[in-house]
Formats: sequence, structure tokens, C-alpha cells
Amino acid sequence: DQQVKQNSPSLSVQEGRISILNCDYTNSMFDYFLWYKKYPAEGPTFLISISSIKDKNEDGRFTVFLNKSAKHLSLHIVPSQPGDSAVYFCAAPGGATNKLIFGTGTLLAVQP
Amino acid sequence: DVKVTQSSRYLVKRTGEKVFLECVQDMDHENMFWYRQDPGLGLRLIYFSYDVKMKEKGDIPEGYSVSREKKERFSLILESASTNQTSMYLCASIFRTGGRGTEAFFGQGTRLTVV
Repeated sequence: DQQVKQNSPSLSVQEGRISILNCDYTNSMFDYFLWYKKYPAEGPTFLISISSIKDKNEDGRFTVFLNKSAKHLSLHIVPSQPGDSAVYFCAAPGGATNKLIFGTGTLLAVQP
Repeated sequence: DVKVTQSSRYLVKRTGEKVFLECVQDMDHENMFWYRQDPGLGLRLIYFSYDVKMKEKGDIPEGYSVSREKKERFSLILESASTNQTSMYLCASIFRTGGRGTEAFFGQGTRLTVV
């Protein structure tokens, strides 16, 4: 049973437009959600996070929205740039051992 | 800056070989993890360790073992490599922060091909 789900395997967006990446979860006990970005042949890097007590967190071009009643979060990138092309994973910490549970990822392609 | 270093970027091994993937972190974190990344499956947890000589199975431990003799080093062992273990392997050092919740630092990954 996958606790964190990303239902869109890929997304293509024009440069300068908004990219919206979605993530759903099943465990209402998650207290934080994180987004990671991964380029090919590199490890994932932390992008932005949100506490479950908030509904929005913004960092420059990146904003994460959390809808707890729908168990849904989304990452907005505005404006999108070609360098944003990567795989994006949402994740949540599961349990006392700090392990991170990842979604399956969404490949974002930003077209120049 | 936290640094997590994996010993190899690319490896090619033969079926049946014993394979060692090494990971070292320099921030004295207690929790270290091994994930594998496969297309369409995301990052799946193989094993993790929350202290020296302590280990816990993740979601897909079959065919793997781990070793944590020192706090900074966490090794993943493929006892007898098989072609279905061809994958990208990612080591992470994870800790709980006050502001961001849980934060993970990943190594650069090891692309393992078993032929």
C-alpha cells in the first residue's frame, strides 16, 4: 500500500508558465511533507517542505500548498525555467526512525 | 555543508558476484538509509540503520544485506548479484530538524548494471 502517491509520471510545460506537480497521501499522521528534485545521474536534493499545521509555504519561485482534508499537496513553480527540468519527488517522514517515504516521482520537462 | 559520498558512480558486475556499495557521511548523523530508484517505482527503501551495528529492513530487503561498523559508514551488500538488481542506488543521511521536519542528504548515486 503506497502511502505517498504521485499519479502523473510526467508533465510538460512551456518556459515562463506555471508548473503544478501533485501528490496525494493516505496517512493523516504525517507531520511534514517534503519535495525533492533529482537530475539524472545525481542524488535528490531538498527543494521545499511544509508542516502539516500550515497550508502554504513559499520559497522564491516555489510554493507548496497543503490541503489536509483532501490529503493532497501540490508544488507550484512560477515561472518555470528549462533548468527546472528534472524528476520531482514528494516525501513524508514515516515513524520514529526518520525514514522518508517517497512518491513515484513526476518528470517535469520545461520547453524553451 | 553535509556531505554524503558514495564510493562509485558507475559499476558493472556479473551475475552471481558479491557487490559492495559504500557510503560515507561527514555530519555525525545517526540515521542512514539505502534506497534504490527505478523508473515508475520512485525511491524504495532497502535497509536503514539508526546506530552503529543496528539495522532495520526496509520495504525491499530481499537479496541485500548491510553493514554499519562505524557511524559515518554504511555499506550495502548484494550477496549474489542478479540482473533484477540493476538500478540506481542512493544512500541518504537523514535527521530531524526543528524547522523543516525531517531532512535527507543524498549521495550522488551509484548506477549498478548486472550483466
